[in-house]
Amino acid sequence: AQSVTQLGSHVSVSEGALVLLRCNYSSSVPPYLFWYVQYPNQGLQLLLKYTSAATLVKGINGFEAEFKKSETSFHLTKPSAHMSDAAEYFCAVIPNRDDKIIFGKGTRLHILP
Amino acid sequence: ETGVTQSPTHLIKTRGQQVTLRCSSQSGHNTVSWYQQALGQGPQFIFQYYREEENGRGNFPPRFSGLQFPNYSSELNVNALELDDSALYLCASSSGQALYGYTFGSGTRLTVV
Repeated sequence: AQSVTQLGSHVSVSEGALVLLRCNYSSSVPPYLFWYVQYPNQGLQLLLKYTSAATLVKGINGFEAEFKKSETSFHLTKPSAHMSDAAEYFCAVIPNRDDKIIFGKGTRLHILP
Repeated sequence: ETGVTQSPTHLIKTRGQQVTLRCSSQSGHNTVSWYQQALGQGPQFIFQYYREEENGRGNFPPRFSGLQFPNYSSELNVNALELDDSALYLCASSSGQALYGYTFGSGTRLTVV
């Protein structure tokens, strides 16, 4: 079955430091990949998505992710962390265009002052 | 664009009872999906409706059922509630295929005691 694995259930970075959240997918063909963010007591907000166009995808709030087929990875990065980035981040995959979204278990990002 | 609205925001039920959760989808979105998010986990797909017909179901028992109405609203019904049904239930709508991205509601927090 298709799945995504997020490495690290909790990640802490200092304000202003690089944010790197890791996601690996299992798929025999390039899937559609997403990053969602969930703030406390809220639903999920789409950060960015990869749908087989450019491998470097830019999203909202300064986040971007790079699709690397050779590594089956879709890591999320942001050059400089801000306190408002503290939230839960979910990597998700759609194995093919008519399928449902499969979410990873999430990574909680903590921003240290 | 009105977004996705879910009601109620919080609910406490007793084991064995039945519950109905409601979702008002974004106007023009004819696809709605429901997800269960247990504490500390990623959302798990329950089922999806397209133009009032169920067109996909996750690994959930039949006591989880749903309806979609012509006015873009939908319901999730759960019968014979169990303690493990305690979770955040998320509704998500889309105007087309999943790869175009879903708009999520803020969820209903169900507690079964």
